[in-house]
Amino acid sequence: DVKVTQSSRYLVKRTGEKVFLECVQDMDHENMFWYRQDPGLGLRLIYFSYDVKMKEKGDIPEGYSVSREKKERFSLILESASTNQTSMYLCASSEDRGHEQYFGPGTRLTVT
Amino acid sequence: AQKVTQAQTEISVVEKEDVTLDCVYETRDTTYYLFWYKQPPSGELVFLIRRNSFDEQNEISGRYSWNFQKSTSSFNFTITASQVVDSAVYFCALSDFNTNAGKSTFGDGTTLTVKP
Repeated sequence: DVKVTQSSRYLVKRTGEKVFLECVQDMDHENMFWYRQDPGLGLRLIYFSYDVKMKEKGDIPEGYSVSREKKERFSLILESASTNQTSMYLCASSEDRGHEQYFGPGTRLTVT
Repeated sequence: AQKVTQAQTEISVVEKEDVTLDCVYETRDTTYYLFWYKQPPSGELVFLIRRNSFDEQNEISGRYSWNFQKSTSSFNFTITASQVVDSAVYFCALSDFNTNAGKSTFGDGTTLTVKP
């Protein structure tokens, strides 16, 4: 079974802190994705990566950056956390274009 | 630009009722993929089905069935004889085969509540 793990289920940070969210997949998938999920707004794509060190902006990249130094790991970075970044963050991976995505359990981030 | 519309925000049914979740999509591509995902109260999204744009055959898996109609750009999901365990948020998604990673556009989701 594909397994996507995220470093934390719950995280509380203060405004202005630098925040790292880690995601690891164990199926050698090419593609990895970061979404945020907010009530009434569905899943919104922040960034995605289609190969090691290759990344592209999604629909809402402002305030975020990503890193993919190894194929299995995709990190989301909040350079200076703000309260409007309080959300559920979901990581996903997929084998190839057109394939389904496998999701991690999510990290609920609260910025105070 | 791609778009997925799930017009039903919330649906509530009583156990054993049949329920259909609607999904309408927009794309200019001729090659694309459609998906349904389930997010139970525990939170983790689970993949249910994938359909490519060239395969309009309906699919049935147990109590679940999917109706894909290109003519109306719809990919609807029916649960027959619903059960309490079907209570979840269901997302329809559209993947563009021509972009890097084939990134998906998700609908806003339909929250299904099945009451005993």
